[in-house]
Amino acid sequence: EDKVVQSPLSLVVHEGDTVTLNCSYEVTNFRSLLWYKQEKKAPTFLFMLTSSGIEKKSGRLSSILDKKELSSILNITATQTGDSAIYLCAGESGTASKLTFGTGTRLQVTL
Amino acid sequence: GAVVSQHPSRVICKSGTSVKIECRSLDFQATTMFWYRQFPKQSLMLMATSNEGSKATYEQGVEKDKFLINHASLTLSTLTVTSAHPEDSSFYICSARLLANEKLFFGSGTQLSVL
Repeated sequence: EDKVVQSPLSLVVHEGDTVTLNCSYEVTNFRSLLWYKQEKKAPTFLFMLTSSGIEKKSGRLSSILDKKELSSILNITATQTGDSAIYLCAGESGTASKLTFGTGTRLQVTL
Repeated sequence: GAVVSQHPSRVICKSGTSVKIECRSLDFQATTMFWYRQFPKQSLMLMATSNEGSKATYEQGVEKDKFLINHASLTLSTLTVTSAHPEDSSFYICSARLLANEKLFFGSGTQLSVL
């Protein structure tokens, strides 16, 4: 059974801090790892990672995949209150093109 | 970017009734759509994979006779919760992808409350 584990489960930081969110995966016939941000309802796409060691960057957010360690990290620099959300990591199985989600990391950024 | 529309956003129903949730891909054709369920403070759990023109593939533990999925066209998949009970109360969300190896787009979700 495919499994994705995220840590920490929750995190409270001050505005301006840098945070690192972790994700480890055990996915059959692994194809890709995806990060999503869920604020209220629908998750919004952040990154899709397929190659190990190549950092993807979008503004203050960046992410990298380590296929040897079966893990990924999501970094957020200079955090803002608008970054407060649940960050979901998902592993995609190439066998059925389906995603297995982790339980998420709940990030709260305070002033 | 690609948009997935889900309707209704919220539904409250009596125990024993059936509820239909629609998921539409607005500007692309989706041969495959996915239905997830999310209980409070838990992650998204895949319920089933909806395939256009064929039967849905259900995950282990999901009752196919209770959660009916119909994917009649390339832009519409429906999930019907039959004879809903309070334990079916949850957040249901659909997703679709434009092409294989592309990112998944999510609908806005449906909060189902069964009284």
